[in-house]
Amino acid sequence: AQSVTQLDSQVPVFEEAPVELRCNYSSSVSVYLFWYVQYPNQGLQLLLKYLSGSTLVKGINGFEAEFNKSQTSFHLRKPSVHISDTAEYFCAVSLMDTGRRALTFGSGTRLQVQP
Amino acid sequence: DSGVTQTPKHLITATGQRVTLRCSPRSGDLSVYWYQQSLDQGLQFLIQYYNGEERAKGNILERFSAQQFPDLHSELNLSSLELGDSALYFCASSQTGSVEKLFFGSGTQLSVL
Repeated sequence: AQSVTQLDSQVPVFEEAPVELRCNYSSSVSVYLFWYVQYPNQGLQLLLKYLSGSTLVKGINGFEAEFNKSQTSFHLRKPSVHISDTAEYFCAVSLMDTGRRALTFGSGTRLQVQP
Repeated sequence: DSGVTQTPKHLITATGQRVTLRCSPRSGDLSVYWYQQSLDQGLQFLIQYYNGEERAKGNILERFSAQQFPDLHSELNLSSLELGDSALYFCASSQTGSVEKLFFGSGTQLSVL
């Protein structure tokens, strides 16, 4: 079975500072990797995904993530955050050999951007 | 707006009761997924349907059941409710049944008192 670990439950950061949200996974087979964002009182929205190819993936709102197979990590980064980036961020994996039928989510990281 | 509609947005009920949550997928999407989000369990996959057929099952309790109708909307039925069932229930849809492009609704907040 696969699992996802988001190492930080909360990350406070000042506006315009860089941020990294960490995600590690464990799986005995190859996986697809995703980052979702959840704004208050809303559903989840896909930020970016890694399916294959380049290990550096660019997403919406200036976010990017790098897939590191040897470290089994998929950390999310943004060079300069805005107040509007305050939200909960979820890392998720899907096994390649299950027909990609379900996502396993991490516990989430709450990004708090302060002025 | 993701295009996935969930009703009701909020539901308050008592222990032992039964409720039905409804989800209308995006136009053209054949697959519906149900997820439960709670403070202690996080986001848990419950069940997936594709074009009316059950496709995958996750951590869904026996007291819970779901179905997808011919018009592709889905209902999640929760019975013999317990306090611990209080959670945010999300529906998501995809066109092909793959999670590569999953669109989430804004959820139904269930409070069991």
